[in-house]
Amino acid sequence: QQQVKQSPQSLIVQKGGISIINCAYENTAFDYFPWYQQFPGKGPALLIAIRPDVSEKKEGRFTISFNKSAKQFSLHIMDSQPGDSATYFCAASSRGNTPLVFGKGTRLSVIA
Amino acid sequence: DAGVTQSPTHLIKTRGQHVTLRCSPISGHKSVSWYQQVLGQGPQFIFQYYEKEERGRGNFPDRFSARQFPNYSSELNVNALLLGDSALYLCASSLWHSANTGELFFGEGSRLTVL
Repeated sequence: QQQVKQSPQSLIVQKGGISIINCAYENTAFDYFPWYQQFPGKGPALLIAIRPDVSEKKEGRFTISFNKSAKQFSLHIMDSQPGDSATYFCAASSRGNTPLVFGKGTRLSVIA
Repeated sequence: DAGVTQSPTHLIKTRGQHVTLRCSPISGHKSVSWYQQVLGQGPQFIFQYYEKEERGRGNFPDRFSARQFPNYSSELNVNALLLGDSALYLCASSLWHSANTGELFFGEGSRLTVL
C-alpha cells in the first residue's frame, strides 16, 4: 500500500521554465511534508519542508504548495536550471516515532 | 564537519550469504535510521534507533537486523541474502527520535548487489 503517491515519474523542462511535481496522501495523521533531492550516486538531501498550518512555503526558487482538504502537496521549481536535474522525492510523516514515507520519485531533466 | 558516513560503498554477495553494513552519524546526532532504496523507487524504512534502543521497524523480514553502539554508530545486518535484497542501503541520522521534528541527513549509501 503506497501511502504517498507522486507524479509524474519523469519530467523534462526547458531551462528557465517551471517544474511542477505533485504528491497525494491518504493518512490524515501526516503533518510533516518534506521534499528531498537526490543526485546520482548520492543520498537524498532535504530541499524544503512544510507543515499543514500553512498553505505555501517558499525558499529561493523552490515553493511547496499544500492543500490540506485535497490531501495534496506540490513542489514548484521556478526558473529551472540544468543543475536542478535530479530525482525528487516527496515524503510525509506524523508525530511520534513514525518514519518518513517516501513517494516513488520524479526524475527531472532540465534541458538548455 | 563530516556528514553521515557509510561503509562499504559497494559490495557484491551471492545468495544465502550474510552482509553487514556500517554507519557513522553526524557528530551529536543520537538517532540513526536505515532505509532500503530499490532502483527506481523511493527509500523504504527498515529500522530506527535512538539512544541505542530500537524505536521503529519497517515491514521487512527477520533476516534484517540492526543495532546501535554506545558511540551512536550503527550496523545493519542481512542474513540469507536473496536476489531481491539488491538495493542501495541508506543510513540517515538526526538529532531527535522523530522524523517529524526535523531534517534527516542521509549518507551516500551502500550499494549491495546479490548474485
